[in-house]
Amino acid sequence: TQLLEQSPQFLSIQEGENLTVYCNSSSVFSSLQWYRQEPGEGPVLLVTVVTGGEVKKLKRLTFQFGDARKDSSLHITAAQPGDTGLYLCAGAGASNTGKLIFGQGTTLQVKP
Amino acid sequence: KAGVTQTPRYLIKTRGQQVTLSCSPISGHRSVSWYQQTPGQGLQFLFEYFSETQRNKGNFPGRFSGRQFSNSRSEMNVSTLELGDSALYLCASSGGQGVWEAFFGQGTRLTVV
Repeated sequence: TQLLEQSPQFLSIQEGENLTVYCNSSSVFSSLQWYRQEPGEGPVLLVTVVTGGEVKKLKRLTFQFGDARKDSSLHITAAQPGDTGLYLCAGAGASNTGKLIFGQGTTLQVKP
Repeated sequence: KAGVTQTPRYLIKTRGQQVTLSCSPISGHRSVSWYQQTPGQGLQFLFEYFSETQRNKGNFPGRFSGRQFSNSRSEMNVSTLELGDSALYLCASSGGQGVWEAFFGQGTRLTVV
């Protein structure tokens, strides 16, 4: 059974601080996605990483896929209150048949 | 390009009843996946349909079923509702081939009383 362990589960920081969220597994994924979800809404896709060692940047967000494609991290620089939300990582298996394995999520609160 | 549309947004049902949820994927997408999200279990995969065929299934009881129509729209049905079925049900749309990217709808909030 494929599992994704996401940490930390909760994070409360002040505006301007940096933070990193981790997603780890013992399984290899063909790709890994990061989502952000607001209360009562569906997850919104932020990025997809495919190649081991890949780094993608989205403004103040930096995403990295581990060399072995088993882990990933999300780093936010100078967090802002608008970054508040639930961050989810999700891995796709090699079969690419629609089953995403989700981490438990990281609830981020950025206080002004 | 329109996003993923789920209807209804909110639903209140009584134990023992059945419910049908609907999902219209992004135009051109042939894959629709369904997920259940609860505070305790997070997002759990229910099943995926591609070109009207169920291609993958999660570990949920047979009370949970689905189907996909020729226009790629999908429905999910839950029979004999239990209190534990209260959750946010999310539908995800994907092209179904190549690098997997899923785009989610806003979800249907089901409350079973």
